Amino acid sequence: QKEVEQDPGPLSVPEGAIVSLNCTYSNSAFQYFMWYRQYSRKGPELLMYTYSSGNKEDGRFTAQVDKSSKYISLFIRDSQPSDSATYLCAMSWGYGNKLVFGAGTILRVKS
Amino acid sequence: GAVVSQHPSWVICKSGTSVKIECRSLDFQATTMFWYRQFPKQSLMLMATSNEGSKATYEQGVEKDKFLINHASLTLSTLTVTSAHPEDSSFYICSASRQGASEQYFGPGTRLTVT
Repeated sequence: QKEVEQDPGPLSVPEGAIVSLNCTYSNSAFQYFMWYRQYSRKGPELLMYTYSSGNKEDGRFTAQVDKSSKYISLFIRDSQPSDSATYLCAMSWGYGNKLVFGAGTILRVKS
Repeated sequence: GAVVSQHPSWVICKSGTSVKIECRSLDFQATTMFWYRQFPKQSLMLMATSNEGSKATYEQGVEKDKFLINHASLTLSTLTVTSAHPEDSSFYICSASRQGASEQYFGPGTRLTVT
C-alpha cells in the first residue's frame, strides 16, 4: 500500500462545474498538507497549504483536511479550461522534511 | 514572493559528458533545497535533499557520485550529472523551502536530453 493514494483520473468536467479532488494517506504522522498544480512540462505550482485538520479557502479553491479519516480534498469552484492540469497532493511530517506525493490527478475542463 | 528559477530550461548533451543545472531562490533564503526527477506521466521522484553548507542526503537508489549536488549558499544549489548516458534523459526539477517552513516552492524544471 502506498503512503498516499490519489486517483490518477483523468477527470473530465464541463466548464463551470465544481471539481472535487481527493487523497487518502496511511501515515498519521503527517502534519502539513499541500496541493500543487502542474501544467505539462512545467514545475509544480503551490496552490494550497494547510496545517493539521480544517478548511482553507483561497479564491475559487478550498482545501479540506480530515486527519481522523486521513483524507484531504481540494475543491475548485467555477472551473475554467485553464484549470486543466495535473493536481498533486503532498504531505510532510515537519519543517524541512521531504514531501510525499500522490500520483497526481489529471483534470480536463471542457469549454 | 517565493520564486525559484532553474537554468538551463533545456539542455542537450552528448553521452559521456557532464552537465550542470542551477537552481536559485530569487526572493527568499532557502535553507533546504530538493532535487526531483520526473518521467513522462509520472509523479515526482525525490533524488536528494540538501541543506546549505552540508552534504546532500540522497534517496535510496540514487548514485551520489553520478548526481553531484552542491548547496553553497542560501539562494543557490546545483546538480551536476556526470558522465551522462541516454537513460539519464529526464525532466529535473528543484524545489526550495524557507527555514521553519514545510511547503516547497518549485522551479520550472530542466529538460535533459542525452544523445
